[in-house]
Parts: sequence; structure tokens; C-alpha cells
Amino acid sequence: DAGITQSPRHKVTETGTPVTLRCHQTENHRYMYWYRQDPGHGLRLIHYSYGVKDTDKGEVSDGYSVSRSKTEDFLLTLESATSSQTSVYFCAISRTAEREGESFGQGTRLTVV
Amino acid sequence: GENVEQHPSTLSVQEGDSAVIKCTYSDSASNYFPWYKQELGKRPQLIIDIRSNVGEKKDQRIAVTLNKTAKHFSLHITETQPEDSAVYFCAAHLSGGSYIPTFGRGTSLIVHP
Repeated sequence: DAGITQSPRHKVTETGTPVTLRCHQTENHRYMYWYRQDPGHGLRLIHYSYGVKDTDKGEVSDGYSVSRSKTEDFLLTLESATSSQTSVYFCAISRTAEREGESFGQGTRLTVV
Repeated sequence: GENVEQHPSTLSVQEGDSAVIKCTYSDSASNYFPWYKQELGKRPQLIIDIRSNVGEKKDQRIAVTLNKTAKHFSLHITETQPEDSAVYFCAAHLSGGSYIPTFGRGTSLIVHP
């Protein structure tokens, strides 16, 4: 597997609190992605990054923000967590320079109570 | 943007049977079509892919076919085994550039021993 590490792996938080998930890669890839996975919805893109300080929104970006200050780190922040953000979050990087296919991190299971 | 439909959502087969999962896409500019396998509690992992200049690709018991005219592609698994049980996702995207991948909603394959 590609060198992608997500932290934390599990988190329970209260409604209204901010939460930050971290994705760290050792592959030096430009492109990094944050997805959420929910039953019946597959993988939905939240935000992605195409370089340091270069980010853009995906299809379900409301309530989320991201930052990328270093090539290896891509942070996802839930500004004020809601129960609808209970999900499994996956970070991914492009597998090749031509952006063909993705390698995924182990996932973070987030529960908002 | 791109839209990917995947069918069926659930597929149950007996060990040794073949399984076929189909996806359709909407954007004729898409030229790269990966398939991912996700075992329970694990991350999605790319198992096979196909580019638009190829009609079929095989790797042991799995194969993918692409019909560009009809804009659909399929995953074929022969001689299914219990360890093939997983959720399978298709995706479509334009390799390179800023085009981001779009995933199907997934197919849960159950192989009964």
C-alpha cells in the first residue's frame, strides 16, 4: 500500500465542536483527496488539493474546510460538527503522475453525538 | 459533470459462478475507468483498470470490458470464491488535468460457499 496514514482512526465528538482529521503521505504526490463514505452513497468527494495551498471543493463540501501547508499533509476540518457528518472518512492520493487511479488511507470513523 | 451509475447494488452468487457488475457514465470525455474492491472494514483498493483505447483487459479471474459508444463498462469475475465477497466500486475520469474521478455507488458481492 502507498504510504498514506490517517489520524485519528476513530473519534467520537459532540455536536457543535470543531474536529480536524489528518492525512499524511510519504509519496510526494501533488493530488490529495478527502472522501466520505456512507451506506448507499458510495464515495463522495468533499475537497481535493492539487498542490500546497491549492485546494478546491468537491460535491459535498458544505460544513467542511481543508488546508494543505505541506505536500505531505492534508487536513480536513469540520467547523461545527453535526450528526449528519457521522461517517467514515477516507483520504486518497493519485496513484500515478497521470492521475490514474487512487490509493486510499485506512479511513477514519467519526461519530457525532 | 460526470455521472456514474452502477448496477446491481447487491449481487449474490454461488461459489464457482461468474459475477458481472455494470457501470454507465455520462461524459464521453472520460478516458480512464478503474475498479476498486473494498473488503469489510478495509480501505478501497484498485484491482483493475482500463483506458479508453482498449476494449478489454484481463487479470487472472477478473476482466473489464469497455463499450465507448454505449458509454458503459463492466467487471467480470469468473470462478468466484468466498474471498471475492466485498463491495466493488467503479469510477470514471479523465486522466491528467484537473478532472476529478466520479465513483459509482458500489455493488455488494456475496459469494456463498
